[in-house]
Amino acid sequence: QSALTQPASVSGSPGQSITVPCRGTSSDVGNYNLVSWYQQHPGKAPKLLIFEGNKRPSGISDRFSGSKSGNTASLTISGLQAGDEADYYCCSFAGFVANYVFGGGTRVTVL
Amino acid sequence: QLQLQESGPGLLRPSETLSLTCAVSGSSVSSSTYMWTWIRQPPGKGLQWMGQIFYGGNADYSPSFSGRVTLSVDRSRDTFSLSLTSVTASDTGVYFCARRGLSSSSSPGAFDVWGQGTLVTVSS
Repeated sequence: QSALTQPASVSGSPGQSITVPCRGTSSDVGNYNLVSWYQQHPGKAPKLLIFEGNKRPSGISDRFSGSKSGNTASLTISGLQAGDEADYYCCSFAGFVANYVFGGGTRVTVL
Repeated sequence: QLQLQESGPGLLRPSETLSLTCAVSGSSVSSSTYMWTWIRQPPGKGLQWMGQIFYGGNADYSPSFSGRVTLSVDRSRDTFSLSLTSVTASDTGVYFCARRGLSSSSSPGAFDVWGQGTLVTVSS
């Protein structure tokens, strides 16, 4: 069982916006501003989309945005495209014993 | 452009020791602004952080592996390595090496560069 909780799947139509929640605790998501999000296509390595909760690395589309409220972080994908079909993982720093914990992943389907 | 490349045996027997190496090209493992990390993914499952190491040799490990994991770094070869002892079938999966930023200019707390991953199968 993963430390962070994500829904198994989220779907949306092209052009719509969807949100992927990532529920943690006051020991990880709620206590540190170090949530990151990754996109993984089948057979590929994960790709960093968001770091420090809401910052995008250079080259990442502004259609991807991150936010946090309490112990729950969220990834929003706006203007959904076919190429956005992938698995999405959240990750948070969880202190100097557990270090980094991931969510179980969310499969995003474009209808 | 920075690239990471994992290498190591793809098939192990139960109780053996898994040894993987990650080669860093286009940059140096001796950077003070990054940690070097191992993350694995069991078949059809999510990502699991295993541990990280700084160029000076200081390492942190996930408690989930009960002391079976050891990381090392070779600055002369620009590589870092993973050792996982007493493997079982549950250690089967794709093993990724990745870079994690430390400073405000290097995606702090995030894994910004990944290797392609290497599949390790544990089977008798």
